[in-house]
Amino acid sequence: KAGVTQTPRYLIKTRGQQVTLSCSPISGHRSVSWYQQTPGQGLQFLFEYFSETQRNKGNFPGRFSGRQFSNSRSEMNVSTLELGDSALYLCASGRGYGTGELFFGEGSRLTVL
Amino acid sequence: TQLLEQSPQFLSIQEGENLTVYCNSSSVFSSLQWYRQEPGEGPVLLVTVVTGGEVKKLKRLTFQFGDARKDSSLHITAAQPGDTGLYLCAGAGEETSGSRLTFGEGTQLTVNP
Repeated sequence: KAGVTQTPRYLIKTRGQQVTLSCSPISGHRSVSWYQQTPGQGLQFLFEYFSETQRNKGNFPGRFSGRQFSNSRSEMNVSTLELGDSALYLCASGRGYGTGELFFGEGSRLTVL
Repeated sequence: TQLLEQSPQFLSIQEGENLTVYCNSSSVFSSLQWYRQEPGEGPVLLVTVVTGGEVKKLKRLTFQFGDARKDSSLHITAAQPGDTGLYLCAGAGEETSGSRLTFGEGTQLTVNP
């Protein structure tokens, strides 16, 4: 059974640009969550999608957005990038809504220059 | 806001030693998960504990959920270099909907041969 797939694995952007990250959950999983991981803040929740609807949102500015498609694949977008957005962005899939257990991808490492 | 405090933050031990990592909160969690993360990879789920007082064993790893479901511990017996990694506890809050998890800051474990 294939795991969670995130693309791209690494990317470098400059301030002011925007970026789109993609996540394909485990087959059959319908919940996708996104987390930001930084050395200083650890893992922080961005948002959760289930059945193409955003069900939960963390305390991040509106520059961070996402969506989920009918095949459960998800994308997140960060606009007007800032230096502080440099982080590992992790996608996690869950079997259903509210199951708690998450299965993470390897992450997308974003560096903002 | 629910917070999870992990201790110690860093731990360096010799192969064969025992260790315990603690995860504490003032909040009650409906479940608590432990993950291990290695450099360049996403966190990997080790175990989920749900019932207060629950103890689960995974080979040389023993996980315990506090009676009040506010804290948890991870005990490793006879640590091996392969146990090296970042150990994260994560809680699913009672009042939190969905699969949103609150993560501790992590414990970076190094087991020296």
